[in-house]
This record gives sequence, structure tokens and C-alpha cells, in this order.
Amino acid sequence: QQQVKQSPQSLIVQKGGISIINCAYENTAFDYFPWYQQFPGKGPALLIAIRPDVSEKKEGRFTISFNKSAKQFSLHIMDSQPGDSATYFCAASPPGGGNKLTFGTGTQLKVEL
Amino acid sequence: DAGVIQSPRHEVTEMGQEVTLRCKPISGHDYLFWYRQTMMRGLELLIYFNNNVPIDDSGMPEDRFSAKMPNASFSTLKIQPSEPRDSAVYFCASSWDTSTDTQYFGPGTRLTVL
Repeated sequence: QQQVKQSPQSLIVQKGGISIINCAYENTAFDYFPWYQQFPGKGPALLIAIRPDVSEKKEGRFTISFNKSAKQFSLHIMDSQPGDSATYFCAASPPGGGNKLTFGTGTQLKVEL
Repeated sequence: DAGVIQSPRHEVTEMGQEVTLRCKPISGHDYLFWYRQTMMRGLELLIYFNNNVPIDDSGMPEDRFSAKMPNASFSTLKIQPSEPRDSAVYFCASSWDTSTDTQYFGPGTRLTVL
């Protein structure tokens, strides 16, 4: 059972454009929603994360929008740059110790000049 | 800190051979996770430990896979016997003990089973 659905699978954006990646979850117990960024040949690294008590979190050019009623959250990358080209994973975890993350299937982002 | 350390970085073996992947978590982290990444299935959690004790191994694909954590600074993932479908990148990650703590991933081990 896939508990976190991510789309699109791949995305091509022009430099300076906005990249948008969407995720939907099923488990209403999830209360922590991070996004991880992975460059080729590297392990994933935390990019930004949100708790459901807020609807938006912004860090530089990266913003998470969260819709608790729809059980959806999205990553927006403003002014996308070629250096943002990577695979992005959304994830979710339930409360309590352990931080057991359920990952989405990933989105390959390519930012073209 | 050097981050999560994994070895080897690349492993090529023949079907039927035993494979052992190694991980050294970040010092002080209470949780250690093993993941497998493939194009078809994405990033899958195989097993995770808390204070060296396996907590959830429901992601381990079958009995050919086993994982141990003999102490707080070392863990192994063993595949015996290996099969071509085990070819993947295996990641180890570690974190502190809260539900919102960052998981820090190692560089991964790329396993190829011929």
C-alpha cells in the first residue's frame, strides 16, 4: 500500500521558472512532512519540512504548502536554477519516537538554461 | 563529524554469493535505518534500529536478508544468497530520537549482482 503518492515523476523547467511537485497522503496520523533532495551518486538530504499546524513554510526559494483537509502538500521552487536539478522526495511520518518515514516515489527535476 | 559512513561504495558479485554491507552512523544518534533504492520501487525502508535493537523489519524482502547492529557505531546488512534482483543502491541513515529529527543519509552502496 503506497501511503504517499507523488507527482509528477519527472519535470523540466526553464531557468527562473517555478517548479511544483505534489504529494498526497492517506494516513491521517502523519504529522511531519519533510522533503528530501538527492543529487546523482549521493544520498538524500533534508531540504525543508513542515508540521500540519501551519499551512505554509518558506526557506529561501523553497516553499512547502500544506492542505490538511485535502491531505496534500507540495513543494514550490521559485526562480529555479540549474543547480536545483535533482530528484526530490516527499515523505511523511507519524507522531512518536522513531521518525519512520514513508517516502514518495520521487520526482526528477531538470532545470534548463 | 564525518557523517554516515558506508562501505563498500560499490560491490559487484555473482549470484549466490554472500554480500555484507556496512554502516557507521553519526555518533550520538539513537536510530539507524537501512533503505534500498531502485528505479522501479523508489526508496524503500528495509529495517530500522533504536539503541541497537531492531524495531521494525517488515520491509526486509525475504529471509535472505538480515541486519545486525552489534553496537551503537556499527551495523551490517547481509544478503545470502544474493540474486540479480537484489541489485540496487542501499542507503544507511541515522537520526536522533524524536519523530521530527532529520535522517542523515550515507552515500550509499551500489550493489550489482551478476
